[in-house]
Amino acid sequence: KAGVTQTPRYLIKTRGQQVTLSCSPISGHRSVSWYQQTPGQGLQFLFEYFSETQRNKGNFPGRFSGRQFSNSRSEMNVSTLELGDSALYLCASSFRGAGEAYNEQFFGPGTRLTVL
Amino acid sequence: AQKVTQAQTEISVVEKEDVTLDCVYETRDTTYYLFWYKQPPSGELVFLIRRNSFDEQNEISGRYSWNFQKSTSSFNFTITASQVVDSAVYFCALTQGGSEKLVFGKGMKLTVNP
Repeated sequence: KAGVTQTPRYLIKTRGQQVTLSCSPISGHRSVSWYQQTPGQGLQFLFEYFSETQRNKGNFPGRFSGRQFSNSRSEMNVSTLELGDSALYLCASSFRGAGEAYNEQFFGPGTRLTVL
Repeated sequence: AQKVTQAQTEISVVEKEDVTLDCVYETRDTTYYLFWYKQPPSGELVFLIRRNSFDEQNEISGRYSWNFQKSTSSFNFTITASQVVDSAVYFCALTQGGSEKLVFGKGMKLTVNP
């Protein structure tokens, strides 16, 4: 099976712009989560989607948003970019069956966003 | 609130040395899961192990072993006879039952020198 894929791998934007990152989960996985990794704050949870519904959201401003499509692919969007948004954005997918307490999350290689 | 503390930020060892990575967690939940992930320079997080709160058995997988102690809220990871390929950042993480949200520690950078 192919792993989690994220596009693009690298991105350079300027302050004030917006950006959309894409994540394709492992085939058959229905849950997608996003994380932001910075040197200062470490790995922080952004949001989780399951069957096109946001199930959980981290403590990030409303400029960060996401969605999930019917094929489980997910996108996250950051509007009005700030310098502090420069980070590695990681996507993870898992197969979440009904009634299961937890399934392993498999991470993609990430998108490295640089805001100038 | 959930919290994971990895007190060590960076360790450097010589090949074949044993090294233990410490992880202390805080949670009020009775059902939770603990994890270790490895992040090589490529950036992708690689899953190493998962433990649920009801299973305190230690585990060994090749050169890797994990010691889970609920009494001290610790989930330590030992690499025996370290190798250069073990060089990476290692993260301990926690989630409560029913949630996909992982709470990570700050990570510990391990450098294994030849």
